[in-house]
Amino acid sequence: DIVMTQSPDSLAVSLGERATINCKSTPSVLSSADNKNYLAWYQQKPGQPPKLLIYWASTRESGVPDRFSGSGSGTDFILTISSLQAEDVAVYYCQQYYSAPLTFGGGTKVEIK
Amino acid sequence: EVQLVESGGGLVQPGGSLRLSCAASGFTFSTYWMSWVRQTPGKGLEWVAHMKEDGSGKYYVDSVKGRFTISRDNAKNSLYLQMNSLRDEDTAVYYCATGDSGWIFGFWGQGALVTVSS
Repeated sequence: DIVMTQSPDSLAVSLGERATINCKSTPSVLSSADNKNYLAWYQQKPGQPPKLLIYWASTRESGVPDRFSGSGSGTDFILTISSLQAEDVAVYYCQQYYSAPLTFGGGTKVEIK
Repeated sequence: EVQLVESGGGLVQPGGSLRLSCAASGFTFSTYWMSWVRQTPGKGLEWVAHMKEDGSGKYYVDSVKGRFTISRDNAKNSLYLQMNSLRDEDTAVYYCATGDSGWIFGFWGQGALVTVSS
């Protein structure tokens, strides 16, 4: 199984500042067949299901604000919120869809400092 | 608008059975792979099972193999999860999920709570 490890477990960021979340996969989720990273990011607010933010490691889902961006390749990935807004308080998860069983990271809780 | 509505959750004793349903609308259900994903406070998000659009392929996480069965009725736009031999560790909120690209979950239901306890 592919193991997804997120860090940190939580972080507190001031409004308007940058938030950075890391996700590491073991092994790689980069496909040599199509040169795509099979990695997605989700946001989950209390009492709600997860919401897709980013897929293929860096493609923003329609309607997602451009302050959210994804980067990385192979085994190391980053979700960046360039300017944190109050509505971004949530738990963020990475997920690999390279192979079954699909696996998620443990989540990173983002709060306002 | 895509809608996924789960039902069938509840309290069940260890060793018991429960059947979850997911009613889909707002998209052509018969052309989408469908999944069940569960969430527990302790283990976070866990993919449980996945089924191809025509029912020809089913995939399960190891922890539920032989106990859970995913199925679908394309005529009724519905997805099901038959859960047998339930264990305490199966306690979770179960989500029905899908997306435009197989295993990328762009659409989620609101979830059904399953509690396994004596």
